[in-house]
Amino acid sequence: DAGITQSPRYKITETGRQVTLMCHQTWSHSYMFWYRQDLGHGLRLIYYSAAADITDKGEVPDGYVVSRSKTENFPLTLESATRSQTSVYFCASSEDSGGLQETQYFGPGTRLLVL
Amino acid sequence: GQNIDQPTEMTATEGAIVQINCTYQTSGFNGLFWYQQHAGEAPTFLSYNVLDGLEEKGRFSSFLSRSKGYSYLLLKELQMKDSASYLCAVRDLPGGSYIPTFGRGTSLIVHP
Repeated sequence: DAGITQSPRYKITETGRQVTLMCHQTWSHSYMFWYRQDLGHGLRLIYYSAAADITDKGEVPDGYVVSRSKTENFPLTLESATRSQTSVYFCASSEDSGGLQETQYFGPGTRLLVL
Repeated sequence: GQNIDQPTEMTATEGAIVQINCTYQTSGFNGLFWYQQHAGEAPTFLSYNVLDGLEEKGRFSSFLSRSKGYSYLLLKELQMKDSASYLCAVRDLPGGSYIPTFGRGTSLIVHP
């Protein structure tokens, strides 16, 4: 199916465990983003990627690792999950149109609970 | 860096008009987006402004004043399905790439 997908949609894990959230887009968009959304904070950028093999930190990168070996995939790994990482995680993608309008398209989200 | 401010919550009556404001401070402004997010769902694109003025799209309009660091989203003929969170996002240039940063969102409740 075309679009942007995330897996898993729901995940329960324990403190200290490693967790990887997957994101896949079929548009060949250059840019991909990971946000977390918490009550009172809105959407906060964790990491973003401008192209394959290029990643940069966002506002709240601590405790997270990303990679982008292929344009269409942008996995997010929590190396040692903490309770404060309980959140809803959204992946998004956008084209690189040279600075013009670059609407972001969001995946359905992953709801992560760390016990 | 930037600071984006929106009201936390607004209520309105079905059929009425509501204006949701967004103020921002940026170092390299390059566009402002409005997104709609229904509870439990992903944000979806509503509008984009990069030049001053009003952009109209059906029942929704968005206004931008770059000199004032101000935008608003205007929703006309409100319907119950317009109950959602409305997110203002500003594109800035923190390190060579234009990256959108989101405000905390405005939760709009439409009642009969």
